[in-house]
Amino acid sequence: GENVEQHPSTLSVQEGDSAVIKCTYSDSASNYFPWYKQELGKRPQLIIDIRSNVGEKKDQRIAVTLNKTAKHFSLHITETQPEDSAVYFCAGFTGTASKLTFGTGTRLQVTL
Amino acid sequence: NAGVMQNPRHLVRRRGQEARLRCSPMKGHSHVYWYRQLPEEGLKFMVYLQKENIIDESGMPKERFSAEFPKEGPSILRIQQVVRGDSAAYFCASSPSGGIEQFFGPGTRLTVL
Repeated sequence: GENVEQHPSTLSVQEGDSAVIKCTYSDSASNYFPWYKQELGKRPQLIIDIRSNVGEKKDQRIAVTLNKTAKHFSLHITETQPEDSAVYFCAGFTGTASKLTFGTGTRLQVTL
Repeated sequence: NAGVMQNPRHLVRRRGQEARLRCSPMKGHSHVYWYRQLPEEGLKFMVYLQKENIIDESGMPKERFSAEFPKEGPSILRIQQVVRGDSAAYFCASSPSGGIEQFFGPGTRLTVL
């Protein structure tokens, strides 16, 4: 089955700096890669996603890149703000299994 | 359009009791997924259901756990004879199209005393 690894597990950046979170996946058949943000005690919220026929997608301060050959994808947050502090999860979706496999999460702390 | 609804939000049970967790998907979504999240950990897939069908239950323990999504009403995750290790947040997610774009409910936090 699919295995998704996520790094780093914790990340601390200063307000205004950029943050990058990386994930690798094992199943070359995976074709959809969402990113979720989870604040303490809250539900995971879908913030951006990318499909395997696209190499990069951007939404304001958030971007995701996908390298199918290397089987890795990354989340980029620019001009970080304190409200970006949360746990971020990547996931991979394989159509044959019809389910998401999540990474272990990255706790992002944006300091003033 | 209301989001995914889950109830109860918090549930306390004593060891050996039963826990019933409910999930109402978003309007127009017929695919429901259940996940378990232990404190400080990620989301672990449990079961995938469509109306009246279990599609994939490979992540669900073979004993004590069951799930259903009837033709009418919410999806139910049922845990019989709960143990302390069942304490976790249980999230359901719904999707309009079989896994792509899953939207999560607020979760049910189960505490087993």
